[in-house]
Amino acid sequence: EAGVTQFPSHSVIEKGQTVTLRCDPISGHDNLYWYRRVMGKEIKFLLHFVKESKQDESGMPNNRFLAERTGGTYSTLKVQPAELEDSGVYFCASSQSRETEAFFGQGTRLTVV
Amino acid sequence: GNSVTQMEGPVTLSEEAFLTINCTYTATGYPSLFWYVQYPGEGLQLLLKATKADDKGSNKGFEATYRKETTSFHLEKGSVQVSDSAVYFCALSDLRGGADGLTFGKGTHLIIQP
Repeated sequence: EAGVTQFPSHSVIEKGQTVTLRCDPISGHDNLYWYRRVMGKEIKFLLHFVKESKQDESGMPNNRFLAERTGGTYSTLKVQPAELEDSGVYFCASSQSRETEAFFGQGTRLTVV
Repeated sequence: GNSVTQMEGPVTLSEEAFLTINCTYTATGYPSLFWYVQYPGEGLQLLLKATKADDKGSNKGFEATYRKETTSFHLEKGSVQVSDSAVYFCALSDLRGGADGLTFGKGTHLIIQP
């Protein structure tokens, strides 16, 4: 069974451009999470989907970040326009329920120059 | 709010050495505690967890005991291998198992030399 997959694995963009990150959760997992690790700092929670609905988006840094989960399957995280401080590794995770183990993807390393 | 503090690396050890990575936490209530590991080129993997005080989580020779009195969850292994080289993250959650609102530490980069 495929794990959580994220695309791309690495993205380098210029300040002001737009980038879209994609996450494909494990099939059947209703819960999908986005986290971010800025260099040298903690991994921080961004938001949580249950199926296609945003359950908690309290960690989203500002309105330049937009997350969607069409049809409750894959999810995208768009950053528009990107700023230098958005650089970091973006992780996606999925789980069957809120109480069961979450499986993380490899992460997308975003570099804004 | 919740927070996790872990020793910063890199930590460099020789093969077969004893490993301790310290982790302390601040939380309201009774959180669950986790250690995640990220091997080079891979995603985060759950290494072990403990859901209540005095519980011991163990996996792949690693152990950690939930110490409520010292608010700690130190990771230990008796004899490390080169394949243990990775980044280790201590984390807590208000729920028992999932990734719901996990609070992570900064991560400890462990390097094991042959």
